[in-house]
Amino acid sequence: EVQLVESGGGLVQPGGSLRLSCAASGFTFSSYWMTWVRQAPGKGLEWVANIKEDGSEKYYVDSVKGRFSISRDNAKNSLYLQMNSLRAEDTAVYYCARDSNGWSTDYWGQGTLVTVSS
Amino acid sequence: QSALTQPRSVSGSPGQSVTISCTGTSSDVGGYKYVSWYQQHPGKAPKLMIYDVSKRPSGVPDRFSGSKSGNTASLTISGLQAEDEADYYCCSYAGSYILVFGGGTKLTVL
Repeated sequence: EVQLVESGGGLVQPGGSLRLSCAASGFTFSSYWMTWVRQAPGKGLEWVANIKEDGSEKYYVDSVKGRFSISRDNAKNSLYLQMNSLRAEDTAVYYCARDSNGWSTDYWGQGTLVTVSS
Repeated sequence: QSALTQPRSVSGSPGQSVTISCTGTSSDVGGYKYVSWYQQHPGKAPKLMIYDVSKRPSGVPDRFSGSKSGNTASLTISGLQAEDEADYYCCSYAGSYILVFGGGTKLTVL
């Protein structure tokens, strides 16, 4: 059974940093692109970043470029999102998801809440 | 990287059909055959319902169908059921390994 479990969310002050983790199981992690998607409270989904199977390519939404960094450790079946210079507008539930056919995402974690507030 | 445009809400009675539109540009929806649709119930993670414009993942009822014409994609749900009440999001590939979501549509089953 495919499982994605996020962790690392919490309350952080504006300008602070946080590192999210996503533990994957039930599939060959190293064979899939992976994605982070976020959802601000009461708002819609927003694609944040994705990373190629071997970590050699990474792409970001404009609003997080230069502040967020996606990475992975295939030996540990884990995906990460390092978030620096956090802003109030980064407050959201962050989902880890597995990429599938046609740039869709077929499995999602339960999400981890990041709150940026003083 | 502008969000795709969806109606904020749609509604229908049990057994009826509803269609949710998703309008983008020639740089995303109109330019690729990579539109997907997600269903999200309150407090839950999104669930993939349609990929590649019109393909259904295993386990998704054939009441759900997708299509595209020009810069607009559509999700049609036929034979509405109470459990279909949820938020629905479209998503399109926008080139250069970037994805863009729609703003979401709340489906109410009357």
